Amino acid sequence: QVQLQESGPGLVKPSETLSLTCTVSGGSISSGTSYWNWIRQTPGKGLEWIGYIFYIGDTNYNFSLRSRVRMSMDRSQNRFSLRLSSVTTADTAVYFCARQQKSGWFDGFDLWGQGIMVTVSS
Amino acid sequence: DIHMTQSPSTLAASVGDRVSITCRASQSISSWLAWYQQKPGRAPKLLIDKASSLQSGVPSRFSGSGSETEFTLTISSLQPDDFATYYCQHYNSYPWTFGQGTKVEIK
Repeated sequence: QVQLQESGPGLVKPSETLSLTCTVSGGSISSGTSYWNWIRQTPGKGLEWIGYIFYIGDTNYNFSLRSRVRMSMDRSQNRFSLRLSSVTTADTAVYFCARQQKSGWFDGFDLWGQGIMVTVSS
Repeated sequence: DIHMTQSPSTLAASVGDRVSITCRASQSISSWLAWYQQKPGRAPKLLIDKASSLQSGVPSRFSGSGSETEFTLTISSLQPDDFATYYCQHYNSYPWTFGQGTKVEIK
């Protein structure tokens, strides 16, 4: 079955760029119905959708983070990535990657990675 | 952004109880609503989407109802495995947003 796994540094310094990767196994990232999302969770703000990338390169970012977010995809490695620039302590969170299917309109996030804790601290 | 408000924030119940969680949207979202269950240290798990469509493998004691701005997740007979935090999430328009969560605790 399809599985997602996040990877990346668990500690990032303030003002630097957070970089995470989500590797998809058991299925193709190039599925024409799958949208690949990043979501984060903090005790204070709860769950926050960051954005998604589609296999042809289309992206959609949460407006609140749009100026700092970039998502990309490596189809040959079956993985997609998140870059969040100019981080502050407010970006400390558990980051999840998740799949969302679309046929007609979107569905819920049906597959999730286990999550990765990222702390922003000097 | 569409704001999602869940109530109650915490719910204490016993095994076998029927429990209901409400989710209200700040504007109409048609039926574009999902419910998730999350246990500590784990990722959320999709239970229901399109407001009432039960995901494969999810026990039938879970059900969802509602449309437009008011939605309900009901667990018909609470089981020990159901003590967790539940979230609603809309996907009607960008950005997708989540409710703040409802923690179901043991009474």
